[in-house]
Amino acid sequence: DAGITQSPRHKVTETGTPVTLRCHQTENHRYMYWYRQDPGHGLRLIHYSYGVKDTDKGEVSDGYSVSRSKTEDFLLTLESATSSQTSVYFCATSSDRVRETQYFGPGTRLLVL
Amino acid sequence: GQQLNQSPQSMFIQEGEDVSMNCTSSSIFNTWLWYKQDPGEGPVLLIALYKAGELTSNGRLTAQFGITRKDSFLNISASIPSDVGIYFCAGLRAGGTSYGKLTFGQGTILTVHP
Repeated sequence: DAGITQSPRHKVTETGTPVTLRCHQTENHRYMYWYRQDPGHGLRLIHYSYGVKDTDKGEVSDGYSVSRSKTEDFLLTLESATSSQTSVYFCATSSDRVRETQYFGPGTRLLVL
Repeated sequence: GQQLNQSPQSMFIQEGEDVSMNCTSSSIFNTWLWYKQDPGEGPVLLIALYKAGELTSNGRLTAQFGITRKDSFLNISASIPSDVGIYFCAGLRAGGTSYGKLTFGQGTILTVHP
């Protein structure tokens, strides 16, 4: 357990509105990740960060942006939410990019109407 | 994007039975991980495998890193009701464009009948 919290835990929003999800960790892990989980797809990487202000795209990054201004916080923004972005979003952290495992937060359930 | 092929997709077993699930890929991975996810929670790491051929146990769980580095399996012995959940395999590559990025299987939903 890497002391990962996500906020909000649940959110309902309307199509076209911006949404920001927050991930906060207390373990000083360098690497942070955002995933989405959908039935039949497992978990898919949206964006990740390998340090403060250093981010890169994952496999499903369209429509999402991220920011990391502090080691402990990684924000995911849906610039204009669409119904296809209804999903459960998980944040994860790791201390090493390859060797160490990733620890997951409790998730944020997002519904876009 | 690349995915791991995890099977079976679901299992319905009686308490006390053994369970076996596996993941295969057309690509080589340097690390194999097995996670369990309970309803409403994030995945929790069960076992990590770092070396081809490695066999690792964690209580009633045993996992192996395939010799070809393209597959892994997880066994659960003497299942109990709290084993219920979704089990995910995940592979990690140490090179190329997927460096440091976990690739997940689709998950195996396990139901245990008392």
